[in-house]
Amino acid sequence: EPEVTQTPSHQVTQMGQEVILRCVPISNHLYFYWYRQILGQKVEFLVSFYNNEISEKSEIFDDQFSVERPDGSNFTLKIRSTKLEDSAMYFCASPPKFGGTRNEQFFGPGTRLTVL
Amino acid sequence: RKEVEQDPGPFNVPEGATVAFNCTYSNSASQSFFWYRQDCRKEPKLLMSVYSSGNEDGRFTAQLNRASQYISLLIRDSKLSDSATYLCVVKLAGSNYKLTFGKGTLLTVNP
Repeated sequence: EPEVTQTPSHQVTQMGQEVILRCVPISNHLYFYWYRQILGQKVEFLVSFYNNEISEKSEIFDDQFSVERPDGSNFTLKIRSTKLEDSAMYFCASPPKFGGTRNEQFFGPGTRLTVL
Repeated sequence: RKEVEQDPGPFNVPEGATVAFNCTYSNSASQSFFWYRQDCRKEPKLLMSVYSSGNEDGRFTAQLNRASQYISLLIRDSKLSDSATYLCVVKLAGSNYKLTFGKGTLLTVNP
């Protein structure tokens, strides 16, 4: 199965601090996604990123959030000023291969963000 | 109405049992359908895509009824390793491949 990696596995931060979550998606792919899952709740879409631009974002993805692909391989999600309610698992995802079944998405292991 | 709604569960079944999961979706423009499984505090993992004609992968059978906006997953001869949360997932047409998840149904297979 194609592998998406994420770092760190767990991030603890103080409310109001900035955090950067990192993802290395499946190589040679143009589509990337961020999702989050608050404990006990469903997985929620945050943002999709295509060809170095945001292609779609949810209501959750407000001005506190941003995404970048700083070096052509890593894909980052930044939360500028974390709130308690940002505590969740954050998953990066990408389709398995370009030109294949792009509908399917493979998820990274996630970063558990805890905001104190 | 929730976009994707699943049996709330949880389901507790003995090894070897057959278990069925049901899911409905609200948006008739939904285009693609999937079942994912999620182990506790882990990432969702794709179990299978669901095709209009229905499809089978070993002990797993998925069905789609577009007219009723209904998706199902059947697990036969359940194993202890099948214990997980099963997520019904839908993609809307023209949504840049954004996935919409149901809340999931927890399955525990007991020895």
